Amino acid sequence: NAGVTQTPKFQVLKTGQSMTLQCAQDMNHNSMYWYRQDPGMGLRLIYYSASEGTTDKGEVPNGYNVSRLNKREFSLRLESAAPSQTSVYFCASSGGQPTDTQYFGPGTRLTVL
Amino acid sequence: AQTVTQSQPEMSVQEAETVTLSCTYDTSENNYYLFWYKQPPSRQMILVIRQEAYKQQNATENRFSVNFQKAAKSFSLKISDSQLGDTAMYFCAFMKHAGNQFYFGTGTSLTVIP
Repeated sequence: NAGVTQTPKFQVLKTGQSMTLQCAQDMNHNSMYWYRQDPGMGLRLIYYSASEGTTDKGEVPNGYNVSRLNKREFSLRLESAAPSQTSVYFCASSGGQPTDTQYFGPGTRLTVL
Repeated sequence: AQTVTQSQPEMSVQEAETVTLSCTYDTSENNYYLFWYKQPPSRQMILVIRQEAYKQQNATENRFSVNFQKAAKSFSLKISDSQLGDTAMYFCAFMKHAGNQFYFGTGTSLTVIP
């Protein structure tokens, strides 16, 4: 099992450009999550998908859209990137119950100039 | 709203010694879960230990144990026999019983000194 994979690992964008971060899991998990991590802060939830076909906003959803393409894949899109979106982005998945461990991907370091 | 506070931005410990990382939280919930995650330089987030609030017994995982004080809303992590591989950022996190959302603290950077 690869666990949770994310692409790309690094990305540099100019202000106003768009891009999609990809995430896939092979653990047959129901729930998937997107977080961002800024210096000196813990992870903050952007969006999550409790199950295939559903998505919900987290703590910091503004400027992002998500798609739960199927059970395996959950993508995060920045339509018009801003410097404030410079961050490290983590995808995670879990079985969906609070007692289930969340498994994290390796992260994507995004810089918006 | 839930908040998680880690008041120690950085800590260090000698190899083989014991260190305790502090975490406090604020919530009006009665049932919830608390977690400690480790983030080494590789950036991967790794679950260290989990505590269910309705369980009075403190969770333990090998060299890692917690001191859960529900009334005080405190959830500290004790690492015994510290190893060089324990060097990492440690995040305390909270989740509601019926929720999907983690609330993370700002982290404690732990360095194990040989």
